[in-house]
Amino acid sequence: DAGVTQSPTHLIKTRGQHVTLRCSPISGHKSVSWYQQVLGQGPQFIFQYYEKEERGRGNFPDRFSARQFPNYSSELNVNALLLGDSALYLCASSLEGGFGVGELFFGEGSRLTVL
Amino acid sequence: AQSVAQPEDQVNVAEGNPLTVKCTYSVSGNPYLFWYVQYPNRGLQFLLKYITGDNLVKGSYGFEAEFNKSQTSFHLKKPSALVSDSALYFCAVRDILSNDYKLSFGAGTTVTVRA
Repeated sequence: DAGVTQSPTHLIKTRGQHVTLRCSPISGHKSVSWYQQVLGQGPQFIFQYYEKEERGRGNFPDRFSARQFPNYSSELNVNALLLGDSALYLCASSLEGGFGVGELFFGEGSRLTVL
Repeated sequence: AQSVAQPEDQVNVAEGNPLTVKCTYSVSGNPYLFWYVQYPNRGLQFLLKYITGDNLVKGSYGFEAEFNKSQTSFHLKKPSALVSDSALYFCAVRDILSNDYKLSFGAGTTVTVRA
């Protein structure tokens, strides 16, 4: 069975540009979460979506937005890129939503470099 | 609020020796606790979780962790380390009372197992 898939795997942008990252969850999983992992740090929570509704939002500026589609795939959008947005962006899926106890399954990530 | 501390940036052990990676947590209510492992340029892989019940949790690849509520700790252990266990390990916590799926991760501990 396919795991969580993310695209693109690597991308380079310049300051001020916009980026869209995509994620397909494991088949049957209805929850998708996004995390930012800056080099040398642990992942930081950005968003969680369950059944196409936003269920949680981390401490990130409004330049970050996301959505979940009817097939449960998700997009993370970042506008007006800053150098500090350079990071590994991880998507994770889970079977349940907010009150579930299942673990998160992570994709390989999208490595964003902002120049 | 919820947070995790991993007090050691690095742990070095010889192959065949016991391995311990430390983690302490802070939550308002009761915790769900997780351990993940990350290999270079890869996503996070789930090792084990504590939800409720037995304080000793067994997981993948021979790893186990002990939940200690009085010390608010969830240390990861392996009786006999392998060179292939060399990786970056993350402890994560989620408050049982939260209605989103936000995991708070520690900064990570780099484990090096020498042959």
